[in-house]
Amino acid sequence: AQTVTQSQPEMSVQEAETVTLSCTYDTSESNYYLFWYKQPPSRQMILVIRQEAYKQQNATENRFSVNFQKAAKSFSLKISDSQLGDTAMYFCATETSGSRLTFGEGTQLTVNP
Amino acid sequence: DVKVTQSSRYLVKRTGEKVFLECVQDMDHENMFWYRQDPGLGLRLIYFSYDVKMKEKGDIPEGYSVSREKKERFSLILESASTNQTSMYLCASSLWAGTGVANEQFFGPGTRLTVL
Repeated sequence: AQTVTQSQPEMSVQEAETVTLSCTYDTSESNYYLFWYKQPPSRQMILVIRQEAYKQQNATENRFSVNFQKAAKSFSLKISDSQLGDTAMYFCATETSGSRLTFGEGTQLTVNP
Repeated sequence: DVKVTQSSRYLVKRTGEKVFLECVQDMDHENMFWYRQDPGLGLRLIYFSYDVKMKEKGDIPEGYSVSREKKERFSLILESASTNQTSMYLCASSLWAGTGVANEQFFGPGTRLTVL
């Protein structure tokens, strides 16, 4: 069975600063995908970034980037130049065969002005 | 834009009632999913479906059933609602895994169900 662990239930950051959210996972699959989803107060889950496990290069989407350490089974999310609109619950997830996602517990990020 | 809609944002039901949660997607996605979201537990998969009339149990199917009579619609049924089913329910859809890409799941806005 797959497990995903987010060890930081809550984090806060000042506007314009950088923050890193941690995620570790366990899987026996050889090929899999990793995701970070964001759930703002509106409750609408939105994909932030995705990473394919066989790609060594870390994914980047504008201010969002990941640090993917396959051997350590770690997949952290870095948010640069934090904005008030980044305030949300962030979920790390893994996908294996059959399109199933396994989610972590979530990290509530608050960006302070 | 992909759109996933859910029939209610908020729902209050009584213990023992039969509850239907409806989900509709407009992007012709093969896969559809039902999750429940609880604080500290993240999202947990209840049931999913790869195609019309097909269903697979997720991690917590007990007390739930599903129906998929049309490709765009996936219903979650609580046969006899109980207080421990008070939760946020999220529906999602995605393309079939055979496309060979990381399949983003698109989520609905969620239904917050309270069972009294």
